[in-house]
Amino acid sequence: DAGVTQSPTHLIKTRGQQVTLRCSPISGHKSVSWYQQVLGQGPQFIFQYYEKEERGRGNFPDRFSARQFPNYSSELNVNALLLGDSALYLCASSSRWTSENTEAFFGQGTRLTVV
Amino acid sequence: AQSVTQLDSQVPVFEEAPVELRCNYSSSVSVYLFWYVQYPNQGLQLLLKYLSGSTLVESINGFEAEFNKSQTSFHLRKPSVHISDTAEYFCAVSDRLLTGGGNKLTFGTGTQLKVEL
Repeated sequence: DAGVTQSPTHLIKTRGQQVTLRCSPISGHKSVSWYQQVLGQGPQFIFQYYEKEERGRGNFPDRFSARQFPNYSSELNVNALLLGDSALYLCASSSRWTSENTEAFFGQGTRLTVV
Repeated sequence: AQSVTQLDSQVPVFEEAPVELRCNYSSSVSVYLFWYVQYPNQGLQLLLKYLSGSTLVESINGFEAEFNKSQTSFHLRKPSVHISDTAEYFCAVSDRLLTGGGNKLTFGTGTQLKVEL
């Protein structure tokens, strides 16, 4: 079975531009979460979506937005890119949206570099 | 609010030696606990987890971790490391009873384990 797939794997953008990152969860998983991992730090929670609804939001500015599609894939959008947005963006899928018996499966990430 | 502290940013160790990676957490509610491993240029892989029951949990590749509620710790140990264990290790917590649901993970800053010959 395919795991969590993210595209693209690498991306270079200029300050002020907009970027869209994509994630396909494991088949049968309805929950998708997004994390930002800045070099040398642990991942930071950005969003969680379940059944196409936002179920959680981390402490990120409104420049960050996301959505989930009927097939449970998800997109993360970042507008007006800043140099500080350079990071590895990780997508995680899980079968449930609650903490009970949680296990999140992570994709390999999208490496975003803002220049 | 929750936080996870991994005091050691880097741990060098010789092959076949034992290792302990420390993790302490702070939370006002009960939590689930996890260790994830990240190999270079890859995403995170779940190594082991504590949800309930026995406080000692084990992975298939020889790692173990023990949940200590009184010390709010979840240290990761392996009695004999291999070169292939070289990676970044992240400790994480998840709220057991998150208001409104959700399974947000709060991560520590990671510990780089470097196994040398």
